[in-house]
Amino acid sequence: KAGVTQTPRYLIKTRGQQVTLSCSPISGHRSVSWYQQTPGQGLQFLFEYFSETQRNKGNFPGRFSGRQFSNSRSEMNVSTLELGDSALYLCASSLVRGSEAFFGQGTRLTVV
Amino acid sequence: DAKTTQPNSMESNEEEPVHLPCNHSTISGTDYIHWYRQLPSQGPEYVIHGLTSNVNNRMASLAIAEDRKSSTLILHRATLRDAAVYYCILNRSGGSNYKLTFGKGTLLTVNP
Repeated sequence: KAGVTQTPRYLIKTRGQQVTLSCSPISGHRSVSWYQQTPGQGLQFLFEYFSETQRNKGNFPGRFSGRQFSNSRSEMNVSTLELGDSALYLCASSLVRGSEAFFGQGTRLTVV
Repeated sequence: DAKTTQPNSMESNEEEPVHLPCNHSTISGTDYIHWYRQLPSQGPEYVIHGLTSNVNNRMASLAIAEDRKSSTLILHRATLRDAAVYYCILNRSGGSNYKLTFGKGTLLTVNP
């Protein structure tokens, strides 16, 4: 079966712009989580969605937001981009909350 | 969140067994022990998880100490493809705030 698909794979944006990243989970998976990975901070949890509701949020500013659609697909949005937002953004899906997570390849965001 | 402690790096030779340790002295009764690995330029990949008993799957074995304060991920015959960062994570079941908290992990180098 198809894995977790993230689009786009690479993105270059300018400071102050906003960006939307997309994640299509494995078919049947209802939990979608987002993570940010940087060389300095490692992998950090952003938020988790289940049944179209945000269930948990990490310690990130309000510029980071997300949503989940009825088909479990998810998007995350970052507004007013800063240089420090340059990172690999990873999406993971799980069949149920707390079960093994399957990660996508990530979206590499570069802010210039 | 309960924390885990892993060595920063380990080295192994190809086709030899590898034992990756993890300490989690503050583990609670409902915490599952999960292992993920991240190969270069890829998203993390689920390896194995367990609660109290030792577990085996096609990728690895997980040995859990009787007091659950430590565990060991065992790769029975390391291959070059096993070179990755390995993360030991505690995942609380039944909680409302589900998330994976990644530490720095153990960088495994496999020598040919």
